[in-house]
Amino acid sequence: DAKTTQPTSMDCAEGRAANLPCNHSTISGNEYVYWYRQIHSQGPQYIIHGLKNNETNEMASLIITEDRKSSTLILPHATLRDTAVYYCIVRDHSPSSGSARQLTFGSGTQLTVLP
Amino acid sequence: DSGVTQTPKHLITATGQRVTLRCSPRSGDLSVYWYQQSLDQGLQFLIQYYNGEERAKGNILERFSAQQFPDLHSELNLSSLELGDSALYFCASSPGTGLTLLYGYTFGSGTRLTVV
Repeated sequence: DAKTTQPTSMDCAEGRAANLPCNHSTISGNEYVYWYRQIHSQGPQYIIHGLKNNETNEMASLIITEDRKSSTLILPHATLRDTAVYYCIVRDHSPSSGSARQLTFGSGTQLTVLP
Repeated sequence: DSGVTQTPKHLITATGQRVTLRCSPRSGDLSVYWYQQSLDQGLQFLIQYYNGEERAKGNILERFSAQQFPDLHSELNLSSLELGDSALYFCASSPGTGLTLLYGYTFGSGTRLTVV
């Protein structure tokens, strides 16, 4: 799976949009971009994933650049409860990737939402 | 409730002891993954089982072992425990097939192991 690079930390004012960037310049055609978050010591929580089109769900939006080398997770109206570590993960879902399908976590971005 | 159940939530034990952590996957999921998260550390993948068979190994110590039973629940066995084994242990599950793309990976709330 391709490696990802994220900023170590970011701050965001409550009620404003939080934009979390992720670089995955070596991503290949069958690799999806996943976003998870971990609120202090809780289990990681799925946010969103996508291949090449922008995606939106009730939690967030995922914007993937046309060349797929980077993406941005957008939390449209951040609240204090969105303070967490956000992980950007690239995962190969091609048949040739085999049955070993674990997610590999990096260091993530510590997002702090400020009142 | 994520649908993945981990027990116990907390465990305190002495060095040299052996413990068993249990995970029940989300209904319908065939794959189970174990992760370790030490204090202020990232999530380290330990091992994956799919429908009862080991499918992938990560940074799992020889003192640790796991298995997945016919009812698909999984147990992680940690033996000869050391202070450095104190960590959060998370279990995740997924369909383990092409449906993983659709239904994703679901994590449990973890077991906090403290070795004293």
